[in-house]
Amino acid sequence: AQKITQTQPGMFVQEKEAVTLDCTYDTSDPSYGLFWYKQPSSGEMIFLIYQGSYDQQNATEGRYSLNFQKARKSANLVISASQLGDSAMYFCAMREPSSARQLTFGSGTQLTVLP
Amino acid sequence: DGGITQSPKYLFRKEGQNVTLSCEQNLNHDAMYWYRQDPGQGLRLIYYSQIVNDFQKGDIAEGYSVSREKKESFPLTVTSAQKNPTAFYLCASSIPGAGEVYGYTFGSGTRLTVV
Repeated sequence: AQKITQTQPGMFVQEKEAVTLDCTYDTSDPSYGLFWYKQPSSGEMIFLIYQGSYDQQNATEGRYSLNFQKARKSANLVISASQLGDSAMYFCAMREPSSARQLTFGSGTQLTVLP
Repeated sequence: DGGITQSPKYLFRKEGQNVTLSCEQNLNHDAMYWYRQDPGQGLRLIYYSQIVNDFQKGDIAEGYSVSREKKESFPLTVTSAQKNPTAFYLCASSIPGAGEVYGYTFGSGTRLTVV
């Protein structure tokens, strides 16, 4: 079974609008961490935001927020006020003790911001 | 500044050749990882090392080898046994055993092409 599922291979958003990138995960560990990374065409992986399984509040980092719904096992990334520079591949990832704390990645969502 | 350096950025390999990708970090991280990324896909774990002189196979270790003689260095050799080595290779490091809070720091990647 997939540990991390990203069901949107590609998404388009108009500049200055908000966009939600979906991520669902599967784990039986009570303690785990969820991460979002951005990968521009240059290939580097840029850390965006982190959510811990015991965190009571949704994580926020500037224009990025994580809509964490624990019972649904979803961790959607919300980007507000999209910018042209947000066009990139976005990966959801999870770190859990039962996987020796390796980061497991989803297949990614290619976001394109339209002018 | 601390970070991870991968070299070379681009690498071309002839059929039947072994090639070695370099990964060096000055973050004082104990754990290091190698991932493979194919076009439009997520990252798959090749090998990881939690401590010097110890490393473990990931999900797709066949045709690859690693060494970890120094904390700072985790080179990856793509052997002739790897039948389809053309891909983007990412090296990462992290603090192990620190719970699930810490994500990875990534290098900028090496793009390997078989010619």
